[in-house]
Amino acid sequence: QSALTQPRSVSGSPGQSVTISCTGTSSDVGGYNYVSWYQQHPGKAPKLMIYDVGERPSGVPDRFSGSKSGNTASLTISGLQAEDEADYYCCSYAGSYTYVFGTGTEVTVL
Amino acid sequence: EVQLVESGGGLVNPGGSLRLSCAASGFTFSNAWMSWVRQAPGKGLEWIGRMKSKTDGGSTDYPAPVKGRFTISRDDSKNTLYLQMNSLKTEDTAVYYCITQGYSTSKGSFDYWGQGILVTVSS
Repeated sequence: QSALTQPRSVSGSPGQSVTISCTGTSSDVGGYNYVSWYQQHPGKAPKLMIYDVGERPSGVPDRFSGSKSGNTASLTISGLQAEDEADYYCCSYAGSYTYVFGTGTEVTVL
Repeated sequence: EVQLVESGGGLVNPGGSLRLSCAASGFTFSNAWMSWVRQAPGKGLEWIGRMKSKTDGGSTDYPAPVKGRFTISRDDSKNTLYLQMNSLKTEDTAVYYCITQGYSTSKGSFDYWGQGILVTVSS
């Protein structure tokens, strides 16, 4: 099972929007609506930000949104803030009760 | 408050074994599906297995890299999840996270994470 493909890094100024892509195949991202996104600050455990493609857990700001088209899922951060600077990982159900993560994207707030 | 605390990590020789424990509190552990995810130093996240709740059958699933070497088990009376790792390889060096799967969200996501425990496989 290959890791989902994410851009290595994205950046934006405070207040701007950034979008992170997560590309898989019809066997994972394209085949199920079980795409989730995780934020990880250095030295910390990941935190769930989006589940089931576009649902937000309680407590996650509505600046974070998710979507999917075909084999590519996306995470958009609107109104970028300094505290959003972190690594972000997508994850998808990949069938046969397995899960696959993305390669990870570093978000830099300029 | 949900808390997951991993223990049992450390340095082990290649070919050796190690058992990680994850003490859970703040939620009904027996109802939870539980997973383990690892992260090699400077690398990305990798899902390494899941155990369903006993009421949902208690089955386990693993990805190819660890299947046959790693075993997940649970003791609901102790609110504890285990990861038994055998035939360890240097590439198993990572921080290992204990996670609830879909406890307050959906079964397709990992909602609560422990702080992680480092396992180093080296001679």
